[in-house]
Amino acid sequence: AQSVTQLDSHVSVSEGTPVLLRCNYSSSYSPSLFWYVQHPNKGLQLLLKYTSAATLVKGINGFEAEFKKSETSFHLTKPSAHMSDAAEYFCVVSESGGYQKVTFGTGTKLQVIP
Amino acid sequence: SQTIHQWPATLVQPVGSPLSLECTVEGTSNPNLYWYRQAAGRGLQLLFYSVGIGQISSEVPQNLSASRPQDRQFILSSKKLLLSDSGFYLCAWSVLGGRGYGYTFGSGTRLTVV
Repeated sequence: AQSVTQLDSHVSVSEGTPVLLRCNYSSSYSPSLFWYVQHPNKGLQLLLKYTSAATLVKGINGFEAEFKKSETSFHLTKPSAHMSDAAEYFCVVSESGGYQKVTFGTGTKLQVIP
Repeated sequence: SQTIHQWPATLVQPVGSPLSLECTVEGTSNPNLYWYRQAAGRGLQLLFYSVGIGQISSEVPQNLSASRPQDRQFILSSKKLLLSDSGFYLCAWSVLGGRGYGYTFGSGTRLTVV
C-alpha cells in the first residue's frame, strides 16, 4: 500500500524568500514521486518527477525536490518565491503495476505576500 | 505532441438532471484514462480509470458512471445529479503500464448542482 502526507495545508511566504513545501510518503516498493501545481479553476500541471535516477530533481519555474529515502521525504523547494507561484501544490506517489495508479496528497496552498 | 481536451469548463445543473462530461486525448495511443473529482478541502478522489476501450473500473460507489467508446475518448455521466456531485472534475491520461511517467491533466470542469 502507498500513501502520501503533505505536512502543511497552507504555507505563506514573502515574495523573494525561499519556499519549502513538505511531503512524506509511504510505499512498499521503490516509488515514483511527483509534484503538481494547480492554479485556481485550472487543471494540474506537472512540476517535476523522481523516477529512481538522480535524487535531486529540477523542475519547471525554478522548483526542485530532493528524494530522501532514509527520511521517506520528497520536499519541494524554490530559492525565491514569485507572485505567480501562488497556487495549490500536490505531492503524488506512484507504484509500478499493470496500470498506473497514483495516490495524491491533500494539497498545500501557497500564498505569496508582496 | 500529446494534448488532452476536456469540456465544458463550467456547468450549472439542477438536481435530478443528467450529466455528460467529455474528455479526448490526442497524440497518443492506448492511454490509461482517469476521472478525478476534487471537492473543496478534500483533495483529489479517483472516480474511474480505464486501460482500454470498454474497460472501466470504479474506485468508489457513487451516482456516476463512465464509458470509453473510443481509444482516446472518456465520458463521465450521470442519469440524475445529486447536490453532492458538485465539484471540480479532472480527466487525465498516462502511458499504459509505464511507471514514472506521471499524468497529464485536462483543464477541468467546474460542476455546480443546484
